[in-house]
Amino acid sequence: AQSVTQLGSHVSVSEGALVLLRCNYSSSVPPYLFWYVQYPNQGLQLLLKYTTGATLVKGINGFEAEFKKSETSFHLTKPSAHMSDAAEYFCAVSRPGAGNNRKLIWGLGTSLAVNP
Amino acid sequence: GAGVSQSPSNKVTEKGKDVELRCDPISGHTALYWYRQSLGQGLEFLIYFQGNSAPDKSGLPSDRFSAERTGGSVSTLTIQRTQQEDSAVYLCASSRGLAGNTQYFGPGTRLTVL
Repeated sequence: AQSVTQLGSHVSVSEGALVLLRCNYSSSVPPYLFWYVQYPNQGLQLLLKYTTGATLVKGINGFEAEFKKSETSFHLTKPSAHMSDAAEYFCAVSRPGAGNNRKLIWGLGTSLAVNP
Repeated sequence: GAGVSQSPSNKVTEKGKDVELRCDPISGHTALYWYRQSLGQGLEFLIYFQGNSAPDKSGLPSDRFSAERTGGSVSTLTIQRTQQEDSAVYLCASSRGLAGNTQYFGPGTRLTVL
């Protein structure tokens, strides 16, 4: 069975500092990997995803993540935090390949606070 | 184009009542998902529709929960005899249905069972 672990339910950074949100997965096969963001009182929005190809993927708003198979990780980073990045971030996985339910298995989320 | 829409945005009901939640997916998306987001439980998968295939109901928490998708488009999630533990935000998502396709989420329906 697949599972996702997000280390740190709350992360606080200063404006301009590096953002690092951790995500580790457990899966019998390398899954597809996703990061979604949920701004206050808004719906879930895709930040970035990894399916195949280059393991470093870039997303919206300056975020990027690197798939490391050996570490079963897909950590999310941003070099310089902005106040507008304050939100809830969710890591999710789904099974690759045809014929499978593409349901997303979710981590519990990390709430990011950005301090002025 | 229009995104995924859900109605109602908020629903308050009394314990024991039935509720229906509606989802309008993005036009042309063959896959439709229902998830539930609740405090302490995070996001959990409920049910998946793909084209004309039989739905995957493996995530439904009890037989009080059911869903249908008419004409390959609109979906309705029904909860019978609601319980307080059903209180959550119910999210609908749709995608093109191929492996790795992005799931686009609606704004959700916040259900409160008194």
